[in-house]
Amino acid sequence: IAGITQAPTSQILAAGRRMTLRCTQDMRHNAMYWYRQDLGLGLRLIHYSNTAGTTGKGEVPDGYSVSRANTDDFPLTLASAVPSQTSVYFCASSQGQGRPQHFGDGTRLSIL
Amino acid sequence: AQSVTQPDIHITVSEGASLELRCNYSYGATPYLFWYVQSPGQGLQLLLKYFSGDTLVQGIKGFEAEFKRSQSSFNLRKPSVHWSDAAEYFCAVGLSGNTPLVFGKGTRLSVIA
Repeated sequence: IAGITQAPTSQILAAGRRMTLRCTQDMRHNAMYWYRQDLGLGLRLIHYSNTAGTTGKGEVPDGYSVSRANTDDFPLTLASAVPSQTSVYFCASSQGQGRPQHFGDGTRLSIL
Repeated sequence: AQSVTQPDIHITVSEGASLELRCNYSYGATPYLFWYVQSPGQGLQLLLKYFSGDTLVQGIKGFEAEFKRSQSSFNLRKPSVHWSDAAEYFCAVGLSGNTPLVFGKGTRLSVIA
């Protein structure tokens, strides 16, 4: 079934550790996105990519980095995790900006 | 600044009752408009979208939404709510060009018997 795959589904991580959340799509969408979802704050955009080889900063980019080496993959890296990064992270993709986004099932990340 | 407002944080309705979830946006031009639903532990699923044309759009699961330019609104409706509709609902707005969608903060729907 076509869609977005996120891994891991959940993770508990010690503060200060490095962590990469993986996201792969098989729809050949040009644009991809990373959001974090926190209670009462809705979805907040971390980083996005309009096409392979390009990335852009969203609303809350600090402490996170992304890369887009190819169309299908869009990993999100926490270089040195902090407790405030405890959240549920969603990856999404779309054919282009302004188009409907398709979402993965999320990664629940706890930083202790 | 561009923004999307969902005024209701939490709504409770009885099963079988009608539902309307509000969404207002502030943009200079007519944007693309979307409603998403999120069930517990799941990602967001697209319910419906408006790009142009007929201002009343039909979506999945019996939902519809009406775009009202004069009110900058895109309210979601359902004539008869089912218990399985209990979820979080997000309105989102997009513009042409290379800018991502902007999401509202969501409305949580509870359904009681």
